[in-house]
Amino acid sequence: GENVEQHPSTLSVQEGDSAVIKCTYSDSASNYFPWYKQELGKRPQLIIDIRSNVGEKKDQRIAVTLNKTAKHFSLHITETQPEDSAVYFCAASGSARQLTFGSGTQLTVLP
Amino acid sequence: EAGVTQFPSHSVIEKGQTVTLRCDPISGHDNLYWYRRVMGKEIKFLLHFVKESKQDESGMPNNRFLAERTGGTYSTLKVQPAELEDSGVYFCASSQAPIGEQYFGPGTRLTVT
Repeated sequence: GENVEQHPSTLSVQEGDSAVIKCTYSDSASNYFPWYKQELGKRPQLIIDIRSNVGEKKDQRIAVTLNKTAKHFSLHITETQPEDSAVYFCAASGSARQLTFGSGTQLTVLP
Repeated sequence: EAGVTQFPSHSVIEKGQTVTLRCDPISGHDNLYWYRRVMGKEIKFLLHFVKESKQDESGMPNNRFLAERTGGTYSTLKVQPAELEDSGVYFCASSQAPIGEQYFGPGTRLTVT
């Protein structure tokens, strides 16, 4: 089955700096890659996703890149703000519809 | 539009007892998923319903877990008898399309003592 690895597990950045979180996946059949943000005590919420026919997608301060050959994808957050502090999960999905999640990254944006 | 709801939000039970978790998906979403996050680790898949049918239950840990979705609306996840290692946050998610955004519920925090 699919295996997703996520790095780093914790990340601290100064407000205004950029944050990058990286994930690798094992199943070459995976074709959908969402990123979820989970604030403390709240539900995971989708912040951006990318499908395998696209190499990059951007939504304001958030961008995701996908390298299918290398089987890795990354989340980029620019101009970070304190409200970006949360746990971020990458995930992969393919013929098996369920999401296989990475282990999560605790992002802390320092004011 | 109401989001995915789960009940209860918290449950504390003793080892050996039974607990039933409920999930109400977004209306019209045929796909319903159960996930579990244990002790701050990754969110792990348990099973997937399409309407009332179990599409994939490969993530169910053992036969102490029973999920149902009668009528293809809400779903229940029963743990009987509960063990200490069953503690964690149980999330339900639903989606309209087979591949695409899954909308998560707020989760049920289960503590087995």
